[in-house]
Amino acid sequence: DAGVIQSPRHEVTEMGQEVTLRCKPISGHNSLFWYRQTMMRGLELLIYFNNNVPIDDSGMPEDRFSAKMPNASFSTLKIQPSEPRDSAVYFCASTHLTGDSSPLHFGNGTRLTVT
Amino acid sequence: AQSVTQLDSHVSVSEGTPVLLRCNYSSSYSPSLFWYVQHPNKGLQLLLKYTSAATLVKGINGFEAEFKKSETSFHLTKPSAHMSDAAEYFCVVSAAAGNKLTFGGGTRVLVKP
Repeated sequence: DAGVIQSPRHEVTEMGQEVTLRCKPISGHNSLFWYRQTMMRGLELLIYFNNNVPIDDSGMPEDRFSAKMPNASFSTLKIQPSEPRDSAVYFCASTHLTGDSSPLHFGNGTRLTVT
Repeated sequence: AQSVTQLDSHVSVSEGTPVLLRCNYSSSYSPSLFWYVQHPNKGLQLLLKYTSAATLVKGINGFEAEFKKSETSFHLTKPSAHMSDAAEYFCVVSAAAGNKLTFGGGTRVLVKP
């Protein structure tokens, strides 16, 4: 099992550019979560999917952020246009959701720097 | 509503001495509780979880945690710290439908030789 795979590991871009973060969940998992981690706010849930359907996107900060899950093995988080305050580490996590005790498996994150 | 408070933002211990990381929670439901560890430049890794079975939960790497409902606490302990335990630790509660997790603010552990 390769675990949750995120790409790229690091992304540096200029303000105004589009950024796309990618995630491949663990095979067989039916739920996928996108988190953002910063020193100021800690870990924040942005959005989560169950069976490829977005269930709760209340954590998505603005319309500049969008996420898709076209199939069970792939998800993207897009920021367009990017701003310096979007700089953070973005984590993808997956689980097989069977109740409220399903632990999440995290990827190693994408460190985004917007200059 | 649910919340998690990690009482110490930083903990410093000497190698070979016990580690105690404190966590208090609030929840309207019977919660599931987790501890995760995050090493530098890595994702979070599950250490252990409590799901209403035994109140004393054993996890990986010698860690354990005790669920105390009367104190609404879920403190993490390890009898003897190792240099590799230097990391950030997160206490997490899940009690709402859909596995929506609430993370504590994290405790950064420093292990001195």
